[in-house]
Amino acid sequence: KAGVTQTPRYLIKTRGQQVTLSCSPISGHRSVSWYQQTPGQGLQFLFEYFSETQRNKGNFPGRFSGRQFSNSRSEMNVSTLELGDSALYLCASSSGLRTSGDGDTQYFGPGTRLTVL
Amino acid sequence: AQTVTQSQPEMSVQEAETVTLSCTYDTSESDYYLFWYKQPPSRQMILVIRQEAYKQQNATENRFSVNFQKAAKSFSLKISDSQLGDAAMYFCAYRSPTGANSKLTFGKGITLSVRP
Repeated sequence: KAGVTQTPRYLIKTRGQQVTLSCSPISGHRSVSWYQQTPGQGLQFLFEYFSETQRNKGNFPGRFSGRQFSNSRSEMNVSTLELGDSALYLCASSSGLRTSGDGDTQYFGPGTRLTVL
Repeated sequence: AQTVTQSQPEMSVQEAETVTLSCTYDTSESDYYLFWYKQPPSRQMILVIRQEAYKQQNATENRFSVNFQKAAKSFSLKISDSQLGDAAMYFCAYRSPTGANSKLTFGKGITLSVRP
């Protein structure tokens, strides 16, 4: 099975711009979660999508949004970029079901490194 | 809210030796999952091992094993026969059962170096 893929791998943007990141989950997985990783704050949960619906949300401002498509692929959008948004953005996929044999374990993609200048 | 604490920011081990990474967590839930993830310098987060709280038996995956103490809310990772490829940052993570609160809560991580 192919793993979780994220595109692009690297992005450089300037303050005030917006950006869209993409995540393709493992085939058959219906849940996609997004995390922000920075040296100062560590790994922080952004949101989770399951079957095209946001099921869970972290404590991030409304500039951070996401969506999920019918094929379970997910996109994350950040509008009006700030310097503090520079981070590694990780996507993780899971079955989204407690009855799955692996306990609904989340598997991560390689991440998108966003740099805001 | 659940919290995960990894109090040791860095550890070092000699190749072929054994090392234990510590993790404690706080929760009021009785059913949950615990994970150790590894993040090498290439940045890809890799699952090392998983433990279901309702299982008393400690999980084992080849050279990796855990010591799960539910009452003490402790979840340490033991790496036996350490290899150079084990050098990475290791994160302990907690997750509630699937549903509205099923996000992963991570500790700050510990950087493990392996000396040849």
